[in-house]
Amino acid sequence: AQSVAQPEDQVNVAEGNPLTVKCTYSVSGNPYLFWYVQYPNRGLQFLLKYITGDNLVKGSYGFEAEFNKSQTSFHLKKPSALVSDSALYFCAVRDISGGSYIPTFGRGTSLIVHP
Amino acid sequence: NAGVTQTPKFQVLKTGQSMTLQCAQDMNHEYMSWYRQDPGMGLRLIHYSVGAGITDQGEVPNGYNVSRSTTEDFPLRLLSAAPSQTSVYFCASIPPGAMNTEAFFGQGTRLTVV
Repeated sequence: AQSVAQPEDQVNVAEGNPLTVKCTYSVSGNPYLFWYVQYPNRGLQFLLKYITGDNLVKGSYGFEAEFNKSQTSFHLKKPSALVSDSALYFCAVRDISGGSYIPTFGRGTSLIVHP
Repeated sequence: NAGVTQTPKFQVLKTGQSMTLQCAQDMNHEYMSWYRQDPGMGLRLIHYSVGAGITDQGEVPNGYNVSRSTTEDFPLRLLSAAPSQTSVYFCASIPPGAMNTEAFFGQGTRLTVV
């Protein structure tokens, strides 16, 4: 079975400050991990993914995420937040050994960046 | 190349009515799925398909039917709408043979059942 947890419903950060959106996962084998962003009244857009290799993954709009196998985490980060980063962020996992192409999503974290 | 297209964008139904939410993709993706999004619940999988003629249930299938007669289309049917089915529905597709590939989402259908 595969699952993912986003422990924070909402994250508040001031513009210009670094941001972190947390995600932990559970799989029986090795994971493929994804982050998506959803702007108001829109569908989900892909941000970045971890497949293998370097634990620090860089993605769109200046976001990056760090894969930590020992802590089973994949936290999303950005060095300097923008007001336009305010959106709903989803973490998703796919268990490589499970053979399922259907990812499991977290509950989402609302990021609010204050001017 | 339009990606994943969902219609309609908005819909209001009366309790007991039936309707079909349409989803079409033009990327020749094998895997397609339907999710519902509710506040505080994230995305919950309703039904999914691994190819034409093959469908399976997800986490919350009750009250919904699907079929996959072609690779391109994956409609979701509400048989007898209930207020509990008020939600935003998303269709997604995934390319064939690529577990490390991200999903592509439609823009969503906002459904209100009164």
